[in-house]
Amino acid sequence: GAGVSQSPSNKVTEKGKDVELRCDPISGHTALYWYRQSLGQGLEFLIYFQGNSAPDKSGLPSDRFSAERTGGSVSTLTIQRTQQEDSAVYLCASSPSGGYGYTFGSGTRLTVV
Amino acid sequence: DAKTTQPNSMESNEEEPVHLPCNHSTISGTDYIHWYRQLPSQGPEYVIHGLTSNVNNRMASLAIAEDRKSSTLILHRATLRDAAVYYCILSSSGTYKYIFGTGTRLKVLA
Repeated sequence: GAGVSQSPSNKVTEKGKDVELRCDPISGHTALYWYRQSLGQGLEFLIYFQGNSAPDKSGLPSDRFSAERTGGSVSTLTIQRTQQEDSAVYLCASSPSGGYGYTFGSGTRLTVV
Repeated sequence: DAKTTQPNSMESNEEEPVHLPCNHSTISGTDYIHWYRQLPSQGPEYVIHGLTSNVNNRMASLAIAEDRKSSTLILHRATLRDAAVYYCILSSSGTYKYIFGTGTRLKVLA
């Protein structure tokens, strides 16, 4: 597609359940990023993938969070044993290479009840 | 990472120019200045970026102070569609991780 696609757009889950959020970047973009935005806050960096390099996981808030990127394209962010403080909009972005021209998706709004 | 400071909110009348300021007093020589904006219920979108010289594109202009410790995003004629949160971000050449602050919420009055 022409843009970054994220699914689902909304997800409501019960506390303690695992969730998977998906990101389809723009074709050909080698860099992929995940950010989190809590209500009324700025964006919080989570993780960065660049080509075949080891990802920068420095922003992941706990070991309940993990992400993978298969075949240098689609990425999945997994949150295990969700907590209420995980409720936020999770945004994915891609760029042709690291550091320039991010294109963001519309995000997945996660609500943990 | 170098930090930016922006006003929390600003208002503008429709059809008038808007000047959104950003202070970055700790900027280093290799830091680029990027502006993104986030419309309601959307992810951020790229607006403009620059290093030392002023920049113009179809969306906006970026005026960079001579000492590079501040910059101003200029929307030449604000429209209701320009109501958004505007983020000023610094990134060093070779780095990739944008640090978003809380930005400036721009309200455009009809």
